[in-house]
Amino acid sequence: AQSVTQPDIHITVSEGASLELRCNYSYGATPYLFWYVQSPGQGLQLLLKYFSGDTLVQGIKGFEAEFKRSQSSFNLRKPSVHWSDAAEYFCAVVPYSGSARQLTFGSGTQLTVLP
Amino acid sequence: GAGVSQSPSNKVTEKGKDVELRCDPISGHTALYWYRQRLGQGLEFLIYFQGNSAPDKSGLPSDRFSAERTGESVSTLTIQRTQQEDSAVYLCASSLGGGLPTDTQYFGPGTRLTVL
Repeated sequence: AQSVTQPDIHITVSEGASLELRCNYSYGATPYLFWYVQSPGQGLQLLLKYFSGDTLVQGIKGFEAEFKRSQSSFNLRKPSVHWSDAAEYFCAVVPYSGSARQLTFGSGTQLTVLP
Repeated sequence: GAGVSQSPSNKVTEKGKDVELRCDPISGHTALYWYRQRLGQGLEFLIYFQGNSAPDKSGLPSDRFSAERTGESVSTLTIQRTQQEDSAVYLCASSLGGGLPTDTQYFGPGTRLTVL
């Protein structure tokens, strides 16, 4: 069955430390891949997206993500976390032969940043 | 430019009452989506509008839920005879449209609905 999985429900890091949030997908063909962030009381903000080409994608707020076809993964990274990065992060996919209507979200990873 | 806006930001209502939630999409976006996010859960698709086509209502959980869209602008999501399980954040998104899988959705801040 098609699915998108975020294995980590909650991650805690210290401010200034590096961050990696995991996302795995299970689709017949590589889907289109997105990362969104939801800060407390805010809607979802698009961080970055991958459609094709360079497998390392740069996004806003210093985030990047790397697409690895062999691992069916699209992990989000940041070299140095800031306290303002505390939020919930969602990986999302659209099937390769689908439509935008089929945007499917993972269950999210809650990020806590320690001072 | 202006993003997707939603109103009200918070709504508290009594069980059995009807509520209307409003979404103003980004200007020029022909596609509009409604989602529900229950506490501690992911997003649940409700309904999709694309231009003047018939909406995709496949995600609406019951006939108490309905939505309308005026042309390619404002949309309202109506919940009749609200129940406590309707308590959630209701998110609206819009996109340029056309249905391509690369058509990126942009989200509003949501309406937090609490049914007492």
